[in-house]
Amino acid sequence: DSGVTQTPKHLITATGQRVTLRCSPRSGDLSVYWYQQSLDQGLQFLIQYYNGEERAKGNILERFSAQQFPDLHSELNLSSLELGDSALYFCASSVGTSGAGETQYFGPGTRLLVL
Amino acid sequence: GQNIDQPTEMTATEGAIVQINCTYQTSGFNGLFWYQQHAGEAPTFLSYNVLDGLEEKGRFSSFLSRSKGYSYLLLKELQMKDSASYLCAVRDDGNNRLAFGKGNQVVVIP
Repeated sequence: DSGVTQTPKHLITATGQRVTLRCSPRSGDLSVYWYQQSLDQGLQFLIQYYNGEERAKGNILERFSAQQFPDLHSELNLSSLELGDSALYFCASSVGTSGAGETQYFGPGTRLLVL
Repeated sequence: GQNIDQPTEMTATEGAIVQINCTYQTSGFNGLFWYQQHAGEAPTFLSYNVLDGLEEKGRFSSFLSRSKGYSYLLLKELQMKDSASYLCAVRDDGNNRLAFGKGNQVVVIP
């Protein structure tokens, strides 16, 4: 158990809908990262927050957005869902953002299925 | 751009040694990580290299050559529970975001 929690574990929804995925980082960690993992693409970095501020952006679609709240938990919002958005969504956390060996610890993931 | 290449699958016998390779071409380099991922589960941190050479951690060792853009993960005394995907990830900037390879699936057989 990494100490990172994610809810829900599974989500089934229809195309065009909107969902929110939630992540709580390990105690003491200030950075949160979101990744998408699909069968053909592997793990893809989406976005990073550090202490409430957006820090880095990867291949995140405009239909997706995220935020980190004052209590450091984070939410990833996915809207206008398409079949291709079906994937495992992982959240990871780390203490800071750029120190040597700054290891990211991953949560158990949310499996999203869009029908 | 980033390109991280790993072979896709290998099979090895319990008790044996297996080497998993990773080559990378990234715009910057600020460390390389190895993660283990069982199917449908979270990636679990195994090792980190930022300087050239070998890092040993129990049954797992990881090697890095920055000039060659190359790393390998060595798994010794293979156990059935080592059957998993092994992901190589490069941190290419100061923001700690990781670029992952597609992973190498290791199947351990008795």
